[in-house]
Amino acid sequence: EVQVLESGGGLVQPGGSLRLSCAASGFTFSNYAMNWVRRAPGKGLAWVSLISSTGGSTYYADSVRGRFTISRDNSQNTLYLQMNSLRAEDTAIYYCAKGWLGPDYWGQGTLVTVSS
Amino acid sequence: DIVMTQTPLSLSVTPGQPASISCKSSQSLLGSDGKTYLYWYLQKPGQPPQLLIYEVSNRFSGVPDRFSGSGSGTDFTLKISRVEAEDVGVYYCMQTIHLPRTFGQGTKLEIK
Repeated sequence: EVQVLESGGGLVQPGGSLRLSCAASGFTFSNYAMNWVRRAPGKGLAWVSLISSTGGSTYYADSVRGRFTISRDNSQNTLYLQMNSLRAEDTAIYYCAKGWLGPDYWGQGTLVTVSS
Repeated sequence: DIVMTQTPLSLSVTPGQPASISCKSSQSLLGSDGKTYLYWYLQKPGQPPQLLIYEVSNRFSGVPDRFSGSGSGTDFTLKISRVEAEDVGVYYCMQTIHLPRTFGQGTKLEIK
């Protein structure tokens, strides 16, 4: 059974940093690209970042480029999102999702709250 | 960036009745490989999004056949032939032909 499980969310002050993790199981992690997608309170889904299966290519939404870094450890079947210079508007549930095209499996999400 | 526009933004449907959601993209989603990269998701309350339809009209594993997708180029439709109580939530279309990936605003389906 395919499973992805996010962790690392929490309350952080504006300007602070947080690192999200996503542990994958039930599929050959190293064969698949992975995404981060978020949903802010009262808003719709927003794509954040994408990483290729090898980690050699990464892509970002304009709103996070230069502040967030996506990475992966294929030996540990784990995806990461390093978030720096956090802003109030980054407050959201962050989901990791499998697949280069339309993501087919999503985790339950982890809540990030940026507030003083 | 490709803009995805969904209509309506909300829908109230009697169980057993049909429902339809439109999604229009600002650019064609037809790839050079002949595939069209339009996906439909449902986010039920308190749950993560789940994939319903991939590449316009293909139902994902386990999705009931009352859900169907159609369209081409820039105009797409998700139809539910007979709405059930478990179909409540927010429906999103998503394009993956270009980066950044973009979603429609979402359509909230409620049961009357």
